Amino acid sequence: DTEVTQTPKHLVMGMTNKKSLKCEQHMGHRAMYWYKQKAKKPPELMFVYSYEKLSINESVPSRFSPECPNSSLLNLHLHALQPEDSALYLCASSQVPREGRIGMFFGPGTRLTVL
Amino acid sequence: KQEVTQIPAALSVPEGENLVLNCSFTDSAIYNLQWFRQDPGKGLTSLLLIQSSQREQTSGRLNASLDKSSGRSTLYIAASQPGDSATYLCAVTPGKSSGDKLTFGTGTRLAVRP
Repeated sequence: DTEVTQTPKHLVMGMTNKKSLKCEQHMGHRAMYWYKQKAKKPPELMFVYSYEKLSINESVPSRFSPECPNSSLLNLHLHALQPEDSALYLCASSQVPREGRIGMFFGPGTRLTVL
Repeated sequence: KQEVTQIPAALSVPEGENLVLNCSFTDSAIYNLQWFRQDPGKGLTSLLLIQSSQREQTSGRLNASLDKSSGRSTLYIAASQPGDSATYLCAVTPGKSSGDKLTFGTGTRLAVRP
């Protein structure tokens, strides 16, 4: 299984809602990532988890809260978002760097619209 | 700070042409370089991964080369097809201990005309 899955595919939420994005992989990867991508721009790194511990937080606002319950799952909890947070949210996984021939595997993304 | 640039930003070619996409990076201390394809509104699909010790990788009609010392990589697509139309992104993994961070290039939007 060389797939990263993400749910939901689309999400529309109001600024007062609380929602969660989910990501799952079964490749045995111990590094997982959240990226944000605006239209016609490259993905921007948000968070990195390595061995289920948060290793990088790219100064992301606290209205985005990541969680890694186990080595296969990654969540992104959303609360009090702003319309400018509307974007494609991509999850990715890889072997931990320098432990192997890493390549990054991406999920299909969640298209988020904040009204 | 690593900066990755891709030229051209957009490219339109007739079907059957061979074409080259360029990627340049400012810090040559990289661990590897990866080429991705992205269809509109979709996730990224990995095409080729080149380790820093390698010079090139091939997969089907795709060939990627890496010249780490000059900070350049090229993606060669042979006999292009309309199905190749997508945005192509290169990304580098830093070689320093700080890095799980993939730095993406600005992308090349490719359109292959039937």
